[in-house]
Amino acid sequence: EPEVTQTPSHQVTQMGQEVILRCVPISNHLYFYWYRQILGQKVEFLVSFYNNEISEKSEIFDDQFSVERPDGSNFTLKIRSTKLEDSAMYFCATPRRGVVNTGELFFGEGSRLTVL
Amino acid sequence: DQQVKQNSPSLSVQEGRISILNCDYTNSMFDYFLWYKKYPAEGPTFLISISSIKDKNEDGRFTVFLNKSAKHLSLHIVPSQPGDSAVYFCAASLLGGGAQKLVFGQGTRLTINP
Repeated sequence: EPEVTQTPSHQVTQMGQEVILRCVPISNHLYFYWYRQILGQKVEFLVSFYNNEISEKSEIFDDQFSVERPDGSNFTLKIRSTKLEDSAMYFCATPRRGVVNTGELFFGEGSRLTVL
Repeated sequence: DQQVKQNSPSLSVQEGRISILNCDYTNSMFDYFLWYKKYPAEGPTFLISISSIKDKNEDGRFTVFLNKSAKHLSLHIVPSQPGDSAVYFCAASLLGGGAQKLVFGQGTRLTINP
């Protein structure tokens, strides 16, 4: 049973446009993560979010990226001005139920972003 | 340095035989090592993990071995089944800022032949 669901499953956008990807947890979670996978490459950490604050971010997560939990439920990743190289699968993740500090994460099905 | 490497991009194994996937890492500060399985158009799915203080963990057909001196871990699947065909990612976890992040290898595509 999925612990998070992601929308949209696929989004096509023009370069320079803003994109918002959404992650909806099934139950209460305090930790959220965003990862991405460019086609054919490794899965890369973007940002971790704990108790409504960013706890860590990677070099990829520059000023064009932001995360928030606007209504206490949905967790969003915003890319302000998309670039061609932002085309990737974006995965939201949370710790598997009852498991913390081990790296065992539940990943959503992903949102495919295509920037033209 | 937080690198995790999987040097074999693909592996083909006969059904019923053992599959061995390998992974090397460089950072001795990693506290957990994990294997994730991924099908196309899906997110990675957790398979098995091992603490950095252990050298073996077994779960059914899956066993992970950790050799800290060599900074090497491996996943053994026995017997291999057609449903095991997927991309397998080795990952290492690093506690930072109060929340753990994963560093992934490049993945190995495992194909189980009937």
